[in-house]
Amino acid sequence: DAGVTQTPRHEVAEKGQTIILKCEPVSGHNDLFWYRQTKIQGLELLSYFRSKSLMEDGGAFKDRFKAEMLNSSFSTLKIQPTEPKDSAVYLCASSPDWGYNYAEQFFGPGTRLTVL
Amino acid sequence: GQGVEQPDNLMSVEGTFARVNCTYSTSGFNGLSWYQQREGHAPVFLSYVVLDGLKDSGHFSTFLSRSNGYSYLLLTELQIKDSASYLCAVRDRGTNAYKVIFGKGTHLHVLP
Repeated sequence: DAGVTQTPRHEVAEKGQTIILKCEPVSGHNDLFWYRQTKIQGLELLSYFRSKSLMEDGGAFKDRFKAEMLNSSFSTLKIQPTEPKDSAVYLCASSPDWGYNYAEQFFGPGTRLTVL
Repeated sequence: GQGVEQPDNLMSVEGTFARVNCTYSTSGFNGLSWYQQREGHAPVFLSYVVLDGLKDSGHFSTFLSRSNGYSYLLLTELQIKDSASYLCAVRDRGTNAYKVIFGKGTHLHVLP
């Protein structure tokens, strides 16, 4: 089985641009998470979907960050407009049944975003 | 305030052991997970605990004390390849569902 896939692996953007990051969860998984990781803040939750419904939205990220899950096998994270402080690694993770019976999250390789 | 705290760094010697500590303060606790993350790679799940006590999984063991908001990950018979960051993650009650709060990770350096 394929794991979580993320594209692109690297992205360089100018300040003010719109960028879209993509994630394909493990087939059959019900839960999908988007995180941002930096050395200073560590892993921060951006969004959590369960069966395509948005369950949790990281409060500090609502204004310029929008995650969507139009079908069970594909999710996007849009950052609009980008700022230099958005430079980080963006990780997507999925889980079969995280909220109830399953604790493990399976992480993708991440997208490293650099905003100039 | 609420959150998950871990020491930044930990050093130990090959063949011995290392204990990675985690303290947490959350509004509603529903289990704690440990992840290993090597430099430039994604986190990989190691263990999950929800009941008090020690859970022995061979090379990795985990301990939880809910009354103290404390957990540790114990690595025995350390190898150089155990050098990595170890992340503690607490499942907490969110607005609509459970949410996860990660610590910033402890970077373990295993010396020869």
